[in-house]
Amino acid sequence: KQEVTQIPAALSVPEGENLVLNCSFTDSAIYNLQWFRQDPGKGLTSLLLIQSSQREQTSGRLNASLDKSSGRSTLYIAASQPGDSATYLCAVFYGNNRLAFGKGNQVVVIP
Amino acid sequence: GAVVSQHPSWVICKSGTSVKIECRSLDFQATTMFWYRQFPKQSLMLMATSNEGSKATYEQGVEKDKFLINHASLTLSTLTVTSAHPEDSSFYICSAKRHSNQPQHFGDGTRLSIL
Repeated sequence: KQEVTQIPAALSVPEGENLVLNCSFTDSAIYNLQWFRQDPGKGLTSLLLIQSSQREQTSGRLNASLDKSSGRSTLYIAASQPGDSATYLCAVFYGNNRLAFGKGNQVVVIP
Repeated sequence: GAVVSQHPSWVICKSGTSVKIECRSLDFQATTMFWYRQFPKQSLMLMATSNEGSKATYEQGVEKDKFLINHASLTLSTLTVTSAHPEDSSFYICSAKRHSNQPQHFGDGTRLSIL
């Protein structure tokens, strides 16, 4: 069974600092890994998708890396802004059409 | 593209009521749709996978007679929570994908509160 863990569960940073969010998964046989953003009471917004053959993906201030062999991914958010406050979910696509989620990193960016 | 609409966004109803939640892919045909449940500060847990025109596949521990799923067309799947009780209160999210190797696109979720 695939287990996804996200550390830290919650963090607060002052505006302008870089954010580093970590995700680990137990089974390295994945097809891809995806980072989502979830605002309170809302659905999921896809941020970045990294295929298993890729090492990283970048979109604007966001950069996600993937080390499949060690079962790790890191999401970097540069120069954080108050609008970045949200919960960030990591999910791995594996097995037979399955997507396993972590519990999320709850981020608060303090103005 | 790839917009998934979920309706309603919030439901409050009495215990014993049955509640239907709709999930629509607005601009693509979804061969597969998924239903997830999320409790506060917990991860999304897959409840069931449905393919158009066939019976849904339920995850272990999910009662198929309580959570009825119908995927009648390539753009619509419904989840009916039958005889809902307070413990069924949760955030339900659907997702849809075009083909097997495509990413899932998520709806905005439905907050279900059973009194």
